[in-house]
Amino acid sequence: GQSLEQPSEVTAVEGAIVQINCTYQTSGFYGLSWYQQHDGGAPTFLSYNGLDGLEETGRFSSFLSRSDSYGYLLLQELQMKDSASYFCAVRDENNAGNMLTFGGGTRLMVKP
Amino acid sequence: DVKVTQSSRYLVKRTGEKVFLECVQDMDHENMFWYRQDPGLGLRLIYFSYDVKMKEKGDIPEGYSVSREKKERFSLILESASTNQTSMYLCASSLPRGQGGSNQPQHFGDGTRLSIL
Repeated sequence: GQSLEQPSEVTAVEGAIVQINCTYQTSGFYGLSWYQQHDGGAPTFLSYNGLDGLEETGRFSSFLSRSDSYGYLLLQELQMKDSASYFCAVRDENNAGNMLTFGGGTRLMVKP
Repeated sequence: DVKVTQSSRYLVKRTGEKVFLECVQDMDHENMFWYRQDPGLGLRLIYFSYDVKMKEKGDIPEGYSVSREKKERFSLILESASTNQTSMYLCASSLPRGQGGSNQPQHFGDGTRLSIL
């Protein structure tokens, strides 16, 4: 089966940098995604890594190492609005990679 | 923008009732998904549909069934609701993987918070 591990909670201050790690075990692998969910809101797609390396989108970056079955989401210049839950998700070989398996989520609290 | 609409934001039902949760998407997506979300457990896939009348079981299909009679609509059915099905239910849709790129993100509705009394 598939399993993903990520920290349950992270706290940081406004303006800081925070890294949320994700390790995974999966049969076959088509990529690692990150989703953000504010309280009471819908999860929204943030980033995707299909190959090793760093993907940058504004203040957010995501990294993947397939040999280590490891990835992380890096949030820079933290803002209060970044307080949310962040989920990593793997796309594996089930159903030609159309299904995602999600981690338990990391709740990020940004303090002033 | 993709819009995924779930019919109810909050729903309260009684044990043993048959419960229908409806989801509609407006982007002609082939894939549709039903998840349940519980604290600390992330999103767990209940069922996945890749075409009209086609479905695949996810990780936790027991006690649930689905219906996809039209491409834009995907229904989740609790055949006989039980208290352990009290949860947040999320619907999502996406294009098939590989169409226009190796990743097709899932687009989620706002969720239905279902309470079974």
